[in-house]
Amino acid sequence: EDQVTQSPEALRLQEGESSSLNCSYTVSGLRGLFWYRQDPGKGPEFLFTLYSAGEEKEKERLKATLTKKESFLHITAPKPEDSATYLCAVAGGTSYGKLTFGQGTILTVHP
Amino acid sequence: GAGVSQTPSNKVTEKGKYVELRCDPISGHTALYWYRQSLGQGPEFLIYFQGTGAADDSGLPNDRFFAVRPEGSVSTLKIQRTERGDSAVYLCASSLNGGGNYEQYFGPGTRLTVT
Repeated sequence: EDQVTQSPEALRLQEGESSSLNCSYTVSGLRGLFWYRQDPGKGPEFLFTLYSAGEEKEKERLKATLTKKESFLHITAPKPEDSATYLCAVAGGTSYGKLTFGQGTILTVHP
Repeated sequence: GAGVSQTPSNKVTEKGKYVELRCDPISGHTALYWYRQSLGQGPEFLIYFQGTGAADDSGLPNDRFFAVRPEGSVSTLKIQRTERGDSAVYLCASSLNGGGNYEQYFGPGTRLTVT
């Protein structure tokens, strides 16, 4: 059974204070690891897909990396508008597309 | 272009009643997924359609839950004899194709409250 654990559960940063969110996963035959952002009362918004260990992707202040056991979402010089819940999910080889999500990390960036 | 839409955005129903939740996927997306999200948790998989057929319904909690996608586009999630434990946000997502290699795009969700 695919499993995803995210840490920390909550993270408070000052504006400009860089940090990283962790996503540890167990999956049989990784098809893809996905990062989403979710604002209160809204559906998850797609950020990145990573397919193999060593892969990296960037978008504005966010950078996602992948190893064989975990993924990191690095946030560089965050702004208050980066405050949201960040969700990590995996699609395994036997899942035929269903995503298994972690519980999310609630990020708050103070001005 | 238009994203995934879901109706209604909120639904309040009494215990024991029947409800239907609708999902309109992104045009051209052949794969459609339903998830359920409880407060403070990540979404939990319910069912996956590839075209008109349910390719994986392993996440449906019991036989009170049923979903259809008769023409390969719009999908309806149906819940019979609702219980208070069914209260959650029901999310729909679509992707260009199935198989796990394609990113899924989510709708805004339907918040279901069973009183």
